[in-house]
Order: sequence, then C-alpha cells, then structure tokens
Amino acid sequence: DAGVIQSPRHEVTEMGQEVTLRCKPISGHDYLFWYRQTMMRGLELLIYFNNNVPIDDSGMPEDRFSAKMPNASFSTLKIQPSEPRDSAVYFCASSLAPRNTIYFGEGSWLTVV
Amino acid sequence: EDQVTQSPEALRLQEGESSSLNCSYTVSGLRGLFWYRQDPGKGPEFLFTLYSAGEEKEKERLKATLTKKESFLHITAPKPEDSATYLCAVSPTSGTYKYIFGTGTRLKVLA
Repeated sequence: DAGVIQSPRHEVTEMGQEVTLRCKPISGHDYLFWYRQTMMRGLELLIYFNNNVPIDDSGMPEDRFSAKMPNASFSTLKIQPSEPRDSAVYFCASSLAPRNTIYFGEGSWLTVV
Repeated sequence: EDQVTQSPEALRLQEGESSSLNCSYTVSGLRGLFWYRQDPGKGPEFLFTLYSAGEEKEKERLKATLTKKESFLHITAPKPEDSATYLCAVSPTSGTYKYIFGTGTRLKVLA
C-alpha cells in the first residue's frame, strides 16, 4: 500500500509569497494530521481532521495558516503570506481511528528567505 | 498539563553496547504510547504501540516497555544502522484526539 504522500518535498520561497503544501493520506484512513517540526520545538500538531472535518485547529500559529480537506484523499496547508520564521518541515500524517497508530509522510521542507 | 519528556537528549554507543532510552509522561489518562524512529530527512517511522502498564513489544534489537509513568526503549547489541532519532508520543484520553510528542533522543552507534 502507498503511504502518506506529500508534495512538494522541498520548497524555497521569498517572504510574503503564498505557500501551499499538499497531502494524500493512506486510503481508508479517516483521520488526517498536519504537524510542523523544528529543532527548537520538535513536532507540533497544527490541525487535524476527522472525516474531512477540522476537529482541532488550536495549534495553527496564526491566521496566516489555513488548512482544508475537500475530500477523503486530499488536504492542503496554506501559508499566506509566508515569513522566515515559518521555515520548518511540515508533516502530514493519517490514521484509521482513535487509539490507532498514525503514519507520517516524508515531509515538506519549507525555507522562507 | 499533558507532557512528554525524553532522556537522554543524545546518546553515543559503541556497536554491541546495549542501553535504554526513557520516555516519561504526564497525562490524566493514556489512550496509547507510541515509539517512532526518524532518520535524517525522513518522516517518523512507526515502531511500537503500547496501551497499558506492563505491556511489552519487541522488534529485532528493540524492546519497548510501559509503566504507569514511563516507557523504555531497550536497544540490545545495537548496530550502526540503528543510529537515528527515536521519538515517543502519547495520546491522552482527555480532550480531543491528538498525539503529544517528546523532543526525541538522538542515538549514534559507532562501529
């Protein structure tokens, strides 16, 4: 089975530009998570969805961040406008149900200059 | 407040030198505790899930154990290919369904 698929793998953009990260969860999984990883703060949950509905977005740092899940096989995380402090690795993950293991994608490495 | 603390932050071992990594947690109720391995430039790779105190899981040179306050990841006779960052996460029963990750232990096994 294909794992969680993320794109782009690497993105370098200028401050002020819009960034869109994409994720395809594992087929059949009904929970989708967006995490951000930095050296200073480790892995932080930004938002998660259940059955395409956002359940908890308390980790979204600012209004510049938004996430959508238009269908069961696709989600986006958008940053507009981007700032240098947004530079991090953004992971998408999915799981089948509560108490179940979540599986991570390979990450999107974002650098904002 | 729900919290996960991993120790040590970094660990260097000689090949064959067994050791243990610690994950201490504070949660009102535990839905599950998870161990992941992360290689540089990669996403976390699932290793184990533990649900209740006394539970143990094994995979090759790795063994995970769980008590009511902490979990250990025991590494027996490690090899250089075991070098990675090992992450611990807990899913608490309170609040919404989310995982809380520790900051990880960076393991380096020298040949």
